[in-house]
Amino acid sequence: DIQMTQSPSSLSASVGDRVTITCRASQSITNFLNWYQQKPGKVPELLIHTTSSLQSGVPSRFSGSGSGTDFTLTISSLQPEDFATYYCQQSYSSPLTFGPGTKVDI
Amino acid sequence: EVQLLGSGGGLLQPGGSLRLSCAASGFTFSSYAMSWVRQAPGKGLEWVSGLSASGGSTYYADSVKGRFTISRDNSKNTLYLQMNSLRAEDTAVYYCAKSGGDWGSYTSRNFDYWGQGTLVTVSS
Repeated sequence: DIQMTQSPSSLSASVGDRVTITCRASQSITNFLNWYQQKPGKVPELLIHTTSSLQSGVPSRFSGSGSGTDFTLTISSLQPEDFATYYCQQSYSSPLTFGPGTKVDI
Repeated sequence: EVQLLGSGGGLLQPGGSLRLSCAASGFTFSSYAMSWVRQAPGKGLEWVSGLSASGGSTYYADSVKGRFTISRDNSKNTLYLQMNSLRAEDTAVYYCAKSGGDWGSYTSRNFDYWGQGTLVTVSS
């Protein structure tokens, strides 16, 4: 099974900050990496698929990059509604696996 | 509008069985792979099981293999998860989730729509 790790596990930031979250796979997943946002008490939402493709309706301040085993989610200017937990997920092979999450708070 | 309405959760004892359902609408259900993803209280997301658009191919996490069975009825636009031999560690909110395409495409094994979740609690 492919193991996913994320760093940091949590971070504190301010509105307007540039935020970077890293996701690492235990083996190459080429570019089959997705990112989700989950706000407290809410359902997860797909932000980015296939490493860097922004899901419809997602603000352009979100971007993704990487390949192979190392990937990054960047929020260029953090907004109040972006405080949430972010998960990466590999779609390269079954079982599909998620990272443990990165909580972004104030 | 895509809607996924999960149901069937509840409280039951270890060793018990339960069937979850997820009624889909707003898209051509028979064209998309579907999955169940769970989240234990205060924990992260865990993919549980998925199946292809036709239902002919099924996939499971090691933690549920042999105990859970995923299925779908494309005539009723409904996804199911039969859960047997339940354990305390199966306690979680179970989300049904739609994929971006069929299972065979690497680019489609993401989850672009999620149901509201149904809570399963396994406790003696």
